[in-house]
Amino acid sequence: GAVVSQHPSRVICKSGTSVKIECRSLDFQATTMFWYRQFPKQSLMLMATSNEGSKATYEQGVEKDKFLINHASLTLSTLTVTSAHPEDSSFYICSAREPAGLSQPQHFGDGTRLSIL
Amino acid sequence: AQSVTQPDIHITVSEGASLELRCNYSYGATPYLFWYVQSPGQGLQLLLKYFSGDTLVQGIKGFEAEFKRSQSSFNLRKPSVHWSDAAEYFCAVGGAGFNQGGKLIFGQGTELSVKP
Repeated sequence: GAVVSQHPSRVICKSGTSVKIECRSLDFQATTMFWYRQFPKQSLMLMATSNEGSKATYEQGVEKDKFLINHASLTLSTLTVTSAHPEDSSFYICSAREPAGLSQPQHFGDGTRLSIL
Repeated sequence: AQSVTQPDIHITVSEGASLELRCNYSYGATPYLFWYVQSPGQGLQLLLKYFSGDTLVQGIKGFEAEFKRSQSSFNLRKPSVHWSDAAEYFCAVGGAGFNQGGKLIFGQGTELSVKP
């Protein structure tokens, strides 16, 4: 089945640090990837839609200068949390959608637990 | 407005008992429906999906779901629950009517506990 790899799985860093999270589709080409944020005991909140070769589309209320997204190839999207602060601590999950139509499911990475001290 | 409702926040069932997790949706076009499962600290795994055709769909791990258009529901079922099924379950809807490339709307999730 389709596999999405997300790295790192856990990051602990000091306030003010920028953190990069990678999302790779390992066995298919993903023209579209998605970035979510999940708070404890809550559902997934879509942050942005990442399209290969173009600018990401951010959801309302998500700071694009804070959460930089790059989708430079068909198998890799990155999320950079710039100048991270404790309130950015969360569980971040990426997904990649198989090509060939909107009916294709999204496949998810294992998430990144970000802790800002 | 598009939305997904999972009425049950937490369900506890005995191992070996049957299970039904409820999902209702509101969507302005033909929905594509999904059930995902999430174990603690991990990402989401696709259990099953419905696009068209037979309204009873089979998924992995012995799960099935039935699409009922008249009730705007897509309930997940399993005839006999195993202890390893304890996890968080998310229902999601997407489709052509929700523009911007296949975004999904997720329900709030149902936490399943399994007692021996």
